[in-house]
Amino acid sequence: EVQLVESGGGLVKPGGSLRLSCSASGFTFSNYNMNWVRQAPGKGLEWVSSITTRSSFMYYADSVQGRFIISRDNAKNSLYLQMNSLRAEDTAVYYCVREAATAWGQGSLVTVSS
Amino acid sequence: DIQMTQSPSTLSAFVGDRVTITCRASQSINNWLAWYQQKPGKAPRLLIYKASSLQSGVPSRFSGSGSGTEFTLIITSLQIEDFATYYCHQYKSFQWTFGQGTKVEIK
Repeated sequence: EVQLVESGGGLVKPGGSLRLSCSASGFTFSNYNMNWVRQAPGKGLEWVSSITTRSSFMYYADSVQGRFIISRDNAKNSLYLQMNSLRAEDTAVYYCVREAATAWGQGSLVTVSS
Repeated sequence: DIQMTQSPSTLSAFVGDRVTITCRASQSINNWLAWYQQKPGKAPRLLIYKASSLQSGVPSRFSGSGSGTEFTLIITSLQIEDFATYYCHQYKSFQWTFGQGTKVEIK
C-alpha cells in the first residue's frame, strides 16, 4: 500500500524556522518526482514546491521562493521541506504529494503565530 | 503560470441529481488534469486523473471529460456522501495550479 506520512509541523513564531518531513512507503520512492502542496485554513489548495527524482531540479512558488528549501533522501525514502523566515500567511496544512498527484499524505499543520 | 478557472464556486443540489463542474485552463494542458473530492479536515481524495481515468475504488457515478483547455467533472445521481468540495488540478508543468474549488451543498 502506498503511504506518505508527514511530520514536523507545529506552532512557530513569525520569523522562525521549521522542517517538515515526509516518509514514503509502498512504492519505489526514487522513481518519482515529489511535491509539497499546502492549504490555509478555509482556503483552497496551493502548490508550494517540487523536486525531481535525483534532486537535479527544484521548483518553488513565488510566495515561498528564497525562504523554503525542498530536498529528498532517496536512501531513506524521505522528502523534506525546510521553512525559514516564516510568516503568518504560511499557516496551513502541508501535504506531501507524489508525482502526478497519485498519492497524498494526510497533512501536517503549521501554525505561524506570536 | 497556468491559471485554472473552476465553476461554479457553490452548487446546491438534491440527492439523485446530475451535477456538472467545469474547469478551464489558461493554456492547453493536454489531458494532464485531475479532479479531487475533499471533506472537512481530510486530505483531498483523487477521483479522476488524466482528465478521464477513474481512480481505483472511486464509484462509477463520477466521470471526467475534456482535453486542451476545457474539462468537466460529472456526478450522476448525487449521493449523500458526495456533498463535499471539489477541485480541479493541472499537472502539465512542475508549477502545479488548482481551481478555486466547488462546494456541493444539499438543497
